[in-house]
Amino acid sequence: DVKVTQSSRYLVKRTGEKVFLECVQDMDHENMFWYRQDPGLGLRLIYFSYDVKMKEKGDIPEGYSVSREKKERFSLILESASTNQTSMYLCASSRGQGAVEQYFGPGTRLTVT
Amino acid sequence: GDSVTQMEGPVTLSEEAFLTINCTYTATGYPSLFWYVQYPGEGLQLLLKATKADDKGSNKGFEATYRKETTSFHLEKGSVQVSDSAVYFCALYSGGYQKVTFGTGTKLQVIP
Repeated sequence: DVKVTQSSRYLVKRTGEKVFLECVQDMDHENMFWYRQDPGLGLRLIYFSYDVKMKEKGDIPEGYSVSREKKERFSLILESASTNQTSMYLCASSRGQGAVEQYFGPGTRLTVT
Repeated sequence: GDSVTQMEGPVTLSEEAFLTINCTYTATGYPSLFWYVQYPGEGLQLLLKATKADDKGSNKGFEATYRKETTSFHLEKGSVQVSDSAVYFCALYSGGYQKVTFGTGTKLQVIP
């Protein structure tokens, strides 16, 4: 079974803190993604990566950065957390090209106070 | 750009009722279409997909048909169960580096 794990299920941080969200997949997938999920807005893509050290901006990259130093790991970084970044963050991975399935982690509920 | 529009929820049904969740899309070219499901406390998982016009995706009693003429991919199930209570997302992929566009999700609650 494909497994995508995220470092925390719940996280509470203060405004201005630097926040790291970690994601690891165990199926040697080329592609990895970070989304945020908000009520009424669905899933919005923050960043994705199609190879080690490669990254592409999604629809809402402002205030975020990412790192992919190893194929299995994709990190989302909030350089200076703000209250409007309170959200559910979902990581996903997929193989290769084409209309393939994305496999999701369980999500990290981040609250910024 | 690409977009997906889903019917607003929540949808509340009694057990064994017929389910339809509407989904329409706007995309360039010929996208592939998906339904994902998110059970409480979990990430999304693929429910079914269709990659070309008139294809029917099916899984776990759910079905959806890719209708190019109406740009729709409505999700149906003949008899829902309490265990189907979840949030359902319609999504499309129209090529390139795996960028998938998701709808806003429709919450389904099935009551005994």
